[in-house]
Amino acid sequence: DVKVTQSSRYLVKRTGEKVFLECVQDMDHENMFWYRQDPGLGLRLIYFSYDVKMKEKGDIPEGYSVSREKKERFSLILESASTNQTSMYLCASSPGTQEQFFGPGTRLTVL
Amino acid sequence: GNSVTQMEGPVTLSEEAFLTINCTYTATGYPSLFWYVQYPGEGLQLLLKATKADDKGSNKGFEATYRKETTSFHLEKGSVQVSDSAVYFCALWAGGGADGLTFGKGTHLIIQP
Repeated sequence: DVKVTQSSRYLVKRTGEKVFLECVQDMDHENMFWYRQDPGLGLRLIYFSYDVKMKEKGDIPEGYSVSREKKERFSLILESASTNQTSMYLCASSPGTQEQFFGPGTRLTVL
Repeated sequence: GNSVTQMEGPVTLSEEAFLTINCTYTATGYPSLFWYVQYPGEGLQLLLKATKADDKGSNKGFEATYRKETTSFHLEKGSVQVSDSAVYFCALWAGGGADGLTFGKGTHLIIQP
């Protein structure tokens, strides 16, 4: 089975802190994605990556950056966390086909 | 741009009832269509998919048919169980390469015993 893991299930940070969300997949997938999930808004794509050191902006990249130094790991970075970034963050990976495999999510609260 | 519209919930049904969750889409070209399910406290899991018009995806008693003429991909199940309580997302993939999926807002389904 494909396994996508995320470093934390729950995270509480303070406004202005730098936040790292880590995602690791164990199936050698080329593509990796970060989404945020908010009530009434569904899932929205923040960034994606189709190769090591490559990244592309999604629909809502403002306030976020990403890093992909190794194929299996894709990190989402909040340079200076704000309360409007309180959300559920979901990582996904894909082998280059359309299907995506999701991690369990990280629920981030910014106080 | 691409978009997915699905009925908003919560949808509350009794066990063994018939389920329909409507999903319509707007996209250029011929997208692939998906239903994902999210159980409480978990990430999303692929439930079923269809990649071309008139295809029927099915899994775990759920079915959905890709209707190009009505741009729809409604999810159905003949007899729901309490364990089907979850949030269901309709999604499409219309891009090439590594483009992300476009999701609907999700439908919260509650099945009462």
